[in-house]
Amino acid sequence: SQQGEEDPQALSIQEGENATMNCSYKTSINNLQWYRQNSGRGLVHLILIRSNEREKHSGRLRVTLDTSKKSSSLLITASRAADTASYFCATDEKKAAGNKLTFGGGTRVLVKP
Amino acid sequence: KAGVTQTPRYLIKTRGQQVTLSCSPISGHRSVSWYQQTPGQGLQFLFEYFSETQRNKGNFPGRFSGRQFSNSRSEMNVSTLELGDSALYLCASSLWDSYGYTFGSGTRLTVV
Repeated sequence: SQQGEEDPQALSIQEGENATMNCSYKTSINNLQWYRQNSGRGLVHLILIRSNEREKHSGRLRVTLDTSKKSSSLLITASRAADTASYFCATDEKKAAGNKLTFGGGTRVLVKP
Repeated sequence: KAGVTQTPRYLIKTRGQQVTLSCSPISGHRSVSWYQQTPGQGLQFLFEYFSETQRNKGNFPGRFSGRQFSNSRSEMNVSTLELGDSALYLCASSLWDSYGYTFGSGTRLTVV
């Protein structure tokens, strides 16, 4: 089952614009992670934010986490054509032993040159 | 350093057959997880191994099994293949619990 719901399901923007996508989840978490996937290939880890953090930056990426609302957002600033991909949020649930990620349905981002 | 290596990249099998997929994690990573990705169900957790022990298992039938060797390499096996098993199977390794994962490029399995 999928814990996260991602919004929007698809996003089309012009190069240089910002892209924002949101993720909601249902249970208590240790951390929330964002991944990128290009054309059905493997997932690339972008950023991890722990449950006691509210905001994190990595290059052109900014992630926020609101544990009271069980939601997170990923902002990609100054987008490039190479950012065209699907983006997934994934939660590491508190009750789960070991490593187990529950993924959202993903947001497909198209950056037009 | 080398990434997570999955073999084979593509596989075509017939219904009723069985298949074994292989995953070599990043050196030093002892946790290996497997995920199934389909257009309908998205990314779903199959199982996780750590030091040759299965720590977690997802909601998949018993036809799906796995194991991990002493060198942390892992295999997953699907017996009595069904058309619905057609998917991209992804392996991921992690250094610590609650840490980021490194994924392999996946094995695309087609069952005909």
